[in-house]
Amino acid sequence: EDQVTQSPEALRLQEGESSSLNCSYTVSGLRGLFWYRQDPGKGPEFLFTLYSAGEEKEKERLKATLTKKESFLHITAPKPEDSATYLCAVYTGGFKTIFGAGTRLFVKA
Amino acid sequence: GAVVSQHPSRVICKSGTSVKIECRSLDFQATTMFWYRQFPKKSLMLMATSNEGSKATYEQGVEKDKFLINHASLTLSTLTVTSAHPEDSSFYICSARVPTGGVYEQYFGPGTRLTVT
Repeated sequence: EDQVTQSPEALRLQEGESSSLNCSYTVSGLRGLFWYRQDPGKGPEFLFTLYSAGEEKEKERLKATLTKKESFLHITAPKPEDSATYLCAVYTGGFKTIFGAGTRLFVKA
Repeated sequence: GAVVSQHPSRVICKSGTSVKIECRSLDFQATTMFWYRQFPKKSLMLMATSNEGSKATYEQGVEKDKFLINHASLTLSTLTVTSAHPEDSSFYICSARVPTGGVYEQYFGPGTRLTVT
């Protein structure tokens, strides 16, 4: 069964303390992996699409990487405004995109 | 990126009444839209897949007679919660998919907070 697992469930950082969020997946045929950011009371905001192992994408303090089994979202020198839930999702074809449960990130000033 | 809107953003209704939520793709045509439900501090729960001009496909456990979905045009899908009860109170989010580079990226609306009293 296709599965997407995110870890940790929650992460508390001090401002400026870099870290990584993990998204591991077990799927039959990855076509694309997505990262989203979701703020409380809002819909998820699209961040990145990664298509194949070895690919990297960057946006401000965020950098997403992809291997054959997992993806990492690296956050460099985070600020309090980076606090949010980060979701990863996997597309294998057809109509279904499989979402992970998310990592709640808290960045303290 | 593609823009998806939802209306209303918040709605309060009385138990037993029906409420309609609209989801629109603003700058693209969406043949497929999705409806999700999200409980506090929980992940997205897919309710149904909506295809323009055909019947929606509901996930297991979702009552199709309670959650009516209509995708009448390439830019509009609606979710009607019929005979609402307090347990239907939740955050409802729609999304639309856009073909990009061989995959379908999903773009989400801002969500609708439904409170049934």
